[in-house]
Amino acid sequence: QSVLTQPPSVSGAPGQRVTISCTGSISNIGGGYDVHWYQQLPGTAPRLLIYDSTDRPSGVPDRFSGSKSGTSASLAITGLQAEDEADYYCQSYDSTLSGPVVFGGGTKVTVL
Amino acid sequence: QVLLVQSGAEVKKPGASVRVSCKASGYTFTTYYLHWVRQAPGQGLEWLGIINPNGGNTRYAQKFQGRVTVTRDTSTSTVYMELSSLRSDDSAVYYCARDPTLNSGSGSWHFDYWGQGTLVTVSS
Repeated sequence: QSVLTQPPSVSGAPGQRVTISCTGSISNIGGGYDVHWYQQLPGTAPRLLIYDSTDRPSGVPDRFSGSKSGTSASLAITGLQAEDEADYYCQSYDSTLSGPVVFGGGTKVTVL
Repeated sequence: QVLLVQSGAEVKKPGASVRVSCKASGYTFTTYYLHWVRQAPGQGLEWLGIINPNGGNTRYAQKFQGRVTVTRDTSTSTVYMELSSLRSDDSAVYYCARDPTLNSGSGSWHFDYWGQGTLVTVSS
């Protein structure tokens, strides 16, 4: 069981907006720690998508955005494209023995 | 460009140890921390530990304390992860990943570049 909770799957039609939630607790997201998001295409290593909750590395399309509030964070994908079909993971810091680095269980995004 | 190139796939018997290497290039090796993360088949990501190549300080996940050792060789810009007393549930792809946060502290740790992954299979 992952310290950070994500929905197992989300889906949307091309062009739509989808969001992925990442729910934690006071020992991680709620404690003010940043959330980072990764995209993993099948058979490949994860790729950094969002860091420090809201920032995008160079080369990541602005269709991807991150937000954080309280003990949760979200990743939004607008203008969904077929190439966005992948697994997405959130990651943060945890101050308990579960940490210091914790991940969500991952969310499969399906483009209908 | 930044590259992290890992060693090849390994097959080990239960109880054995495995050592995976990660050779860094394209940046100053001692500037950035390097982490190890694993992913069991069809499962999510799991953090094992971190090393500061400048000095060799390490920190490990509680779950792997006593079984995992991360070292580095600054002369070859290579980091090593050794996992001992292997069990079948250690079968996974093991990744090294660079941390861009410099001296921001553990609360900001994340990963900007990843190795290609090394499949470790534990089977009798």
